Amino acid sequence: GDSVTQMEGPVTLSEEAFLTINCTYTATGYPSLFWYVQYPGEGLQLLLKATKADDKGSNKGFEATYRKETTSFHLEKGSVQVSDSAVYFCALSTDGSSNTGKLIFGQGTTLQVKP
Amino acid sequence: GAVVSQHPSWVICKSGTSVKIECRSLDFQATTMFWYRQFPKQSLMLMATSNEGSKATYEQGVEKDKFLINHASLTLSTLTVTSAHPEDSSFYICSVGGHYNEQFFGPGTRLTVL
Repeated sequence: GDSVTQMEGPVTLSEEAFLTINCTYTATGYPSLFWYVQYPGEGLQLLLKATKADDKGSNKGFEATYRKETTSFHLEKGSVQVSDSAVYFCALSTDGSSNTGKLIFGQGTTLQVKP
Repeated sequence: GAVVSQHPSWVICKSGTSVKIECRSLDFQATTMFWYRQFPKQSLMLMATSNEGSKATYEQGVEKDKFLINHASLTLSTLTVTSAHPEDSSFYICSVGGHYNEQFFGPGTRLTVL
């Protein structure tokens, strides 16, 4: 079945360091890929998305490129801030362009950024 | 994106009682809503897909008689945990299906069953 695998956390970085959180997927068909972020005490928020191969999603300095050949969607940021401390979830959906597609989540990666 | 609210944000109940959790889409007509369960330090597990005006579709292993879902309007879906037990204690999260398969999540409801 379809699945998403993320690197295990927690990831601890100093402020202004470079961030990479790895995400790989297994899916039949052509999934859409997402990164969601959950700040402490809050609900999940969509961070960025990509709907087809080679698309790059970007938001708030974060980027991820949909790589079909390596089935990956790694999250990157050039310079993290303390306020980026949160749990990051990679997810996929395989239900075309409808609004009824189920999301399959990775296990989440906790990021801690120290000043 | 859609703004989604949940009520209550936190509920404590005695074992054997039933608890209702509401999920509202405040600015988006939601034909599809989703209910998830999240255990501490774990990922979200999809429980069911709720379609307005029809029966919910439950994921394998989720007891439909225990977790009753009603989606009577385009702005409201409810999850009722019937005869709750301590093992039902968890964080329950709803989401609204948007365009291109993205989902907009509510803030979650923490259920503690004593």
